[in-house]
Amino acid sequence: DVKVTQSSRYLVKRTGEKVFLECVQDMDHENMFWYRQDPGLGLRLIYFSYDVKMKEKGDIPEGYSVSREKKERFSLILESASTNQTSMYLCASIRGGGPPNTGELFFGEGSRLTVL
Amino acid sequence: GQQVMQIPQYQHVQEGEDFTTYCNSSTTLSNIQWYKQRPGGHPVFLIQLVKSGEVKKQKRLTFQFGEAKKNSSLHITATQTTDVGTYFCAGRRFEGGSNYKLTFGKGTLLTVNP
Repeated sequence: DVKVTQSSRYLVKRTGEKVFLECVQDMDHENMFWYRQDPGLGLRLIYFSYDVKMKEKGDIPEGYSVSREKKERFSLILESASTNQTSMYLCASIRGGGPPNTGELFFGEGSRLTVL
Repeated sequence: GQQVMQIPQYQHVQEGEDFTTYCNSSTTLSNIQWYKQRPGGHPVFLIQLVKSGEVKKQKRLTFQFGEAKKNSSLHITATQTTDVGTYFCAGRRFEGGSNYKLTFGKGTLLTVNP
């Protein structure tokens, strides 16, 4: 079975803390994504990466950074967590390919972050 | 920028009733995908539509892609309690080179009364 694994299902952090959310996929996918999901707002793209050491801003990158040192791993970093970053964070991956890419997203189970 | 509007936001039905959710894009799409997220779960891919006017069926689920490739619908016939969850559409727009953008609708939460 293909799998996207997020290291933490639940985290509680304090305002100002640095937070790392880790995501690993075992499908040798080129493209990886970080979304946040909030009630009434759906899935919003934070950052994505289409190759090792490459990253692109999504729709809501402010307050976040990412790291992609290895193909299978994509990390989301909150340099200084704030209460408005309390959310469900979903990692996803997709096979790369020639345009237009038509692959499906495989999601991890999500990391629910609470910032106090 | 590209927007994908999805309606309704919520739908509550009696078991056995039909259900439909609609997506509309402000721009022409390369393809559209549908995902289902069960309560407490993560989105899971259901289907992808690529061709103008395409219709696909999965048992009680019927998916349509509009002729202009700007709108899509998911119809469930005779809902069951196992259909409960949030249904998302995701429209992909090709932006040249190897770039593409996948934009999710906000989802429709379906609840089913047994």
